[in-house]
Amino acid sequence: QVQLQESGPGLLKPSETLVLTCSVSGYPVTSGYYWGWIRQSPDKRLEWIGHIYENGNTYYEPSLKNRVTISMDTSKNQFSLKVTSVTAADTAVYYCARVGFRYSSPFVDYWGQGTSLTVSS
Amino acid sequence: SSELTQDPTVSVALGQTVRITCRGDSLRGYYASWYQQKPGQAPILLIYGKNNRPSGIPDRFSGSTTGDPPSLTITGAQAEDEADYYCSSRDSSGNHLIFGGGTKLTVL
Repeated sequence: QVQLQESGPGLLKPSETLVLTCSVSGYPVTSGYYWGWIRQSPDKRLEWIGHIYENGNTYYEPSLKNRVTISMDTSKNQFSLKVTSVTAADTAVYYCARVGFRYSSPFVDYWGQGTSLTVSS
Repeated sequence: SSELTQDPTVSVALGQTVRITCRGDSLRGYYASWYQQKPGQAPILLIYGKNNRPSGIPDRFSGSTTGDPPSLTITGAQAEDEADYYCSSRDSSGNHLIFGGGTKLTVL
C-alpha cells in the first residue's frame, strides 16, 4: 500500500525558506511515476507546484518556478520541496503526491495527508 | 488557455443523477481526472484517463470524455457524496498540471 507523509514547519516568517520532505512507503520512488507537490490555499483552490521524475527531471508551475526546487533522495525513498522568500500568499496546506500519466493525461493517485503552513510575522 | 472552469456549486436530490462539468481549452487534447475532497481530508482520485476508476471507487462515479465539456457523473447520489469535486489536466502547453476551481456538491 502506497503511503506518503509530509513533514516540515507549520509556521514561517515572511522572506524565510520553506523546506518540506515527503517520505514514501510501499512503493519505490524510482519505479516509473512522478512525485510532486500540490498546495491548497485557504479559499480551497488547488495549485500544482511541480513534480520530479526518477531521472531528476523536474517540472514547475511557471508562476513559482523562480522560487521552487524539488529534489529526490532515492536512498531514503523521499523527495523534498524548497520554496524561497515565502510570503503570506504561500499560506496553504501542502500535499505531496504520486503523479501518473494515462494517454498522456495526468492523474494524482496517492496523496499525503497534507501539512499546513502559515506565513506570518 | 491554462485554466479549467467548474461551476462553484451544484445540488442533487438523494438518489438522483448529477453531472459536474469541467471546461478548458486544454481538454481538447487531454483527458480530465476527477477528485473528491471531504472536509479535513486530502483529495482522492475518482476518475482518470478514459473513464478509469481506481479500485475501491464505487461504480456510480463515471467520467464522460465525449461531448463537450468533459464531466463527472454520479448516478444515484448518496448522502456521503456531499463533498468538493475538482477536475485536473494538463495546460495547453502540455508541460504543467492545472486544477479547476472546484464544485461543491450538496445532496438534498
